[in-house]
Amino acid sequence: NAGVTQTPKFQVLKTGQSMTLQCAQDMNHNSMYWYRQDPGMGLRLIYYSASEGTTDKGEVPNGYNVSRLNKREFSLRLESAAPSQTSVYFCASRGLAGSQETQYFGPGTRLLVL
Amino acid sequence: QKEVEQNSGPLSVPEGAIASLNCTYSDRGSQSFFWYRQYSGKSPELIMSIYSNGDKEDGRFTAQLNKASQYVSLLIRDSQPSDSATYLCAVNPYTGGFKTIFGAGTRLFVKA
Repeated sequence: NAGVTQTPKFQVLKTGQSMTLQCAQDMNHNSMYWYRQDPGMGLRLIYYSASEGTTDKGEVPNGYNVSRLNKREFSLRLESAAPSQTSVYFCASRGLAGSQETQYFGPGTRLLVL
Repeated sequence: QKEVEQNSGPLSVPEGAIASLNCTYSDRGSQSFFWYRQYSGKSPELIMSIYSNGDKEDGRFTAQLNKASQYVSLLIRDSQPSDSATYLCAVNPYTGGFKTIFGAGTRLFVKA
């Protein structure tokens, strides 16, 4: 049981390049999320998927697109990377830990846009 | 005004002391409240959730919720150096809702 996995762990892009961040969960959760974390800003929601086949914008969706490929996988795409997208990106899925609702986070992708 | 506010710290306490972490939120209708711990370079992990006014205890951790004051806190008793981390307060505006709003986090440092 790997939980939530993310690839790649690190990436350096040049301005204008595109890339896709991959996320997969093996906990059979319906809801999945993409966050970015910047110093002093906490976690900010980019997009989420309440269930397979649906996606919705979060707080900071501009410059990103997402695909809920199936129940397990939720990818985040940067079409034309900008230095302002330098950040740590976390994918999460939502489920129950005992009786507590929780979000399970992946290890993160550290992205540097030059 | 940020939706979820926390003092960024750092909060420094000696080993064995009580650490008190505070959080305020702006949406009066919020229903679900969470505390996550994040070690440096790692991903967040859930410590506590609380849904009703009052206190909820789990080991050395106590979460306190006051919906009238729109205030939630986390107390860590007998603080250990291993508790040194950033603590994130998170709020769901609706029970069962999909969006979770996170505060910026409070850095806690426990001195041995």
